[in-house]
Amino acid sequence: SAVISQKPSRDICQRGTSLTIQCQVDSQVTMMFWYRQQPGQSLTLIATANQGSEATYESGFVIDKFPISRPNLTFSTLTVSNMSPEDSSIYLCSVEAPAGGYNEQFFGPGTRLTVL
Amino acid sequence: AQKVTQAQTEISVVEKEDVTLDCVYETRDTTYYLFWYKQPPSGELVFLIRRNSFDEQNEISGRYSWNFQKSTSSFNFTITASQVVDSAVYFCALSEALLVTSGSARQLTFGSGTQLTVLP
Repeated sequence: SAVISQKPSRDICQRGTSLTIQCQVDSQVTMMFWYRQQPGQSLTLIATANQGSEATYESGFVIDKFPISRPNLTFSTLTVSNMSPEDSSIYLCSVEAPAGGYNEQFFGPGTRLTVL
Repeated sequence: AQKVTQAQTEISVVEKEDVTLDCVYETRDTTYYLFWYKQPPSGELVFLIRRNSFDEQNEISGRYSWNFQKSTSSFNFTITASQVVDSAVYFCALSEALLVTSGSARQLTFGSGTQLTVLP
C-alpha cells in the first residue's frame, strides 16, 4: 500500500497569486497523478507525472498554469499559478502502488483551495 | 475515449434499506479496470473495489456487493442493510490496463458520482 500526505491541507488565496501543493508518498512509486475536484463535481485528471520526464497534461490543462515537479520517486509538487476564483477546488495527488498482488491507486487527503 | 456514467445524482434511503448504485461505462479497450471509491464528507477518497475486464465474477464483501455485467457494460454496487455511516458520494471509475499481467493501470476516468444519504 501507499500512504500519501499533502501540504497544505487547505488554503485561502488571493486572486493573481500562486500556490504550490506538495505530495509526499511513503514508498517509491513510478507514476503519480494530479486530479482536480471542483465543488460538487467529479475528479478530473490534470496531469501524469513520472520521475525523470516531463509531466503529461490532459486536454484543458497547460504547464504554464499548472507546473509540476517530480524530483524523485516519493515526491511531487503541483503549482496553481495566477489563481482565479475558478481555481477553487480540491486538488488530489494519487499514486499507483502494490497492494495485495495488484497495483492499486491510492489518493492523498486532498488540498482544499479557495481563491478569493 | 473512455466514459463513465452514473445516472443517479442523489439517492436517499432509510437505514436498513438496500440500495444499488448504477455505473455504466464506455471503452474501446479490451483490457481495463473498474473501480468504486467512497468519498465521505471529510473528503478523502476511500478505495472499495477493483475489477479487471476478464473477471466477471460478482463479489461480496460484508454488506457490499458488486455486479459486473460486461454484456451491458455495467458495474453496479449494492449496499445491503444500509447504515447512516454509508452516507457519502460514491464514484465509479474506469482505467485502461497497460498490461493485465503487470496489474498496472493508467489514470482513472471518473463518473460524476452518486450522493447517497442514509436517513436514520
